[in-house]
Amino acid sequence: DTGVSQDPRHKITKRGQNVTFRCDPISEHNRLYWYRQTLGQGPEFLTYFQNEAQLEKSRLLSDRFSAERPKGSFSTLEIQRTEQGDSAMYLCASSSHRGLGDTEAFFGQGTRLTVV
Amino acid sequence: GENVEQHPSTLSVQEGDSAVIKCTYSDSASNYFPWYKQELGKRPQLIIDIRSNVGEKKDQRIAVTLNKTAKHFSLHITETQPEDSAVYFCAANMDSNYQLIWGAGTKLIIKP
Repeated sequence: DTGVSQDPRHKITKRGQNVTFRCDPISEHNRLYWYRQTLGQGPEFLTYFQNEAQLEKSRLLSDRFSAERPKGSFSTLEIQRTEQGDSAMYLCASSSHRGLGDTEAFFGQGTRLTVV
Repeated sequence: GENVEQHPSTLSVQEGDSAVIKCTYSDSASNYFPWYKQELGKRPQLIIDIRSNVGEKKDQRIAVTLNKTAKHFSLHITETQPEDSAVYFCAANMDSNYQLIWGAGTKLIIKP
């Protein structure tokens, strides 16, 4: 599968623990996005990278959340001191900006986080 | 900022009939409007998109129309089939802003 891949697919953690998710985008894509989706809702934007630079971060994202894309390829999303409200599907997407307006995003399968 | 509203939240149609889902957006600077289909437990997948310099786009049984003046766009699915059952999301985006703003989704149910 040469699409966007995420690891792990499922994560159950106890409240207060830290968790880290990984996203491997499509190799030639320079843009990478993290979204969060809860049941019955559309994806909610969390943050965005162009290459290794984190260019945008949602104001909804608390300081317990941090994301990195150190070499402009894979990305990690870390949640510290998890809370039950963090339970959601975390989706990664990537796209290739080949000119103004080229913004089709391809999504990974997501990581489903359950905080107990 | 941009706000996208999507209606209806649930749509039930008879197999073979057409389905229409509508979205409105608030920021007139938005110029890219994708539609995603998400089956239960699976990732969202792009099914069709339209840019603001185009009024209508078709791809087999699906079509999207855009009215820039009224700031709304619609997804049309003709000759619906059971495999069309899913949640459909509209979204809007500006080239100068990298994040997609999503609608709340429409659950489409195709009745046999």
